[in-house]
Amino acid sequence: DGGITQSPKYLFRKEGQNVTLSCEQNLNHDAMYWYRQDPGQGLRLIYYSQIVNDFQKGDIAEGYSVSREKKESFPLTVTSAQKNPTAFYLCASKSGRALNTGELFFGEGSRLTVL
Amino acid sequence: GENVGLHLPTLSVQEGDNSIINCAYSNSASDYFIWYKQESGKGPQFIIDIRSNMDKRQGQRVTVLLNKTVKHLSLQIAATQPGDSAVYFCGQKVTFGTGTKLQVIP
Repeated sequence: DGGITQSPKYLFRKEGQNVTLSCEQNLNHDAMYWYRQDPGQGLRLIYYSQIVNDFQKGDIAEGYSVSREKKESFPLTVTSAQKNPTAFYLCASKSGRALNTGELFFGEGSRLTVL
Repeated sequence: GENVGLHLPTLSVQEGDNSIINCAYSNSASDYFIWYKQESGKGPQFIIDIRSNMDKRQGQRVTVLLNKTVKHLSLQIAATQPGDSAVYFCGQKVTFGTGTKLQVIP
């Protein structure tokens, strides 16, 4: 079945460690997105990529890094520079590169806890 | 990014009643709006969308209304069911509001 897969679902890390969250889609979508969700809050855009080998900062990119070497993959690295990394991270993809149209398909999320 | 916000953080509705979730937006240049439903611990799922050249669009048990004059968007759910309990987000482009939690009372 086509879809978008995030892993791991739960992740714990110590302060000062980098951690990489995986996002894979087999929908043949051009665009992929990473969001952060804190309790009782909405989704905030971290990074997005509209095409392979290209990506753009979202509203809260500081302390995060991404790569888009393959169309189906868009991993997110939470670096030690991110001061408050504990959150629920959501990856999404969309057919087409235009930002102003088309629904987003979301993964099931990765919950990161910093100990 | 666009400022997309919701009026009510939590909405409690009796099962069988209609629900109305409201959303205000600030970017009048946007021509596409979308509603998502997020169940606990899961990723959001698409419900319905609407373009700015329309003021109403209906789906199965859901209706989205767009009032461009006052920059207001609403989602109406008919005959609310327990399975409708979730957080609902409105969005413009790839930006979302805070969300409204809908609680259905059996």
